[in-house]
Amino acid sequence: AQSVTQPDIHITVSEGASLELRCNYSYGATPYLFWYVQSPGQGLQLLLKYFSGDTLVQGIKGFEAEFKRSQSSFNLRKPSVHWSDAAEYFCAVGPGGNKLVFGAGTILRVKS
Amino acid sequence: NAGVMQNPRHLVRRRGQEARLRCSPMKGHSHVYWYRQLPEEGLKFMVYLQKENIIDESGMPKERFSAEFPKEGPSILRIQQVVRGDSAAYFCASSDTQGNYGYTFGSGTRLTVV
Repeated sequence: AQSVTQPDIHITVSEGASLELRCNYSYGATPYLFWYVQSPGQGLQLLLKYFSGDTLVQGIKGFEAEFKRSQSSFNLRKPSVHWSDAAEYFCAVGPGGNKLVFGAGTILRVKS
Repeated sequence: NAGVMQNPRHLVRRRGQEARLRCSPMKGHSHVYWYRQLPEEGLKFMVYLQKENIIDESGMPKERFSAEFPKEGPSILRIQQVVRGDSAAYFCASSDTQGNYGYTFGSGTRLTVV
């Protein structure tokens, strides 16, 4: 069965510091991988996606993620965090997107 | 260029009443997906629909829940005889193909059952 694990429920970083949010997945075939961001009371916005090709993918808002098949990971990174990045981040895996399996989310707090 | 529109944003129902949640997909999108988010959990897939067809309802509870996406009008998620455990945020998403390039989500309907 497909599953997604986001080991960190909460992460706090200082503004300007680098960020890495972890995501591990379990999936039997080549996965389609996504990162979404959710601000309080809002819907989810797609940050980036991977399904083939270059394992380092660039997304919106300066985010990037690296697919590592050997580690079953798809960690999200940003070199310098801004206060407006405070939100909840969800990693998701799917067989082409029709039925995504989401992780439980990581809440990012940014301190000034 | 409106995105995915969900209404109402907030819905309060007493136990035993019916809840109707509406979703209008983005213009040009013919694939609609419903997800439920319980407090402090990730989103859980409920159902995938195309116009007039239910493609995958494997995530729908067997009783009280139904979904439709008629030829004209929005997609509707219907919950009959609501119970407190139905309290959650319900998100609709749409895509123009089979969602391979990611969905566009609406802002959700937050259902509270009192």
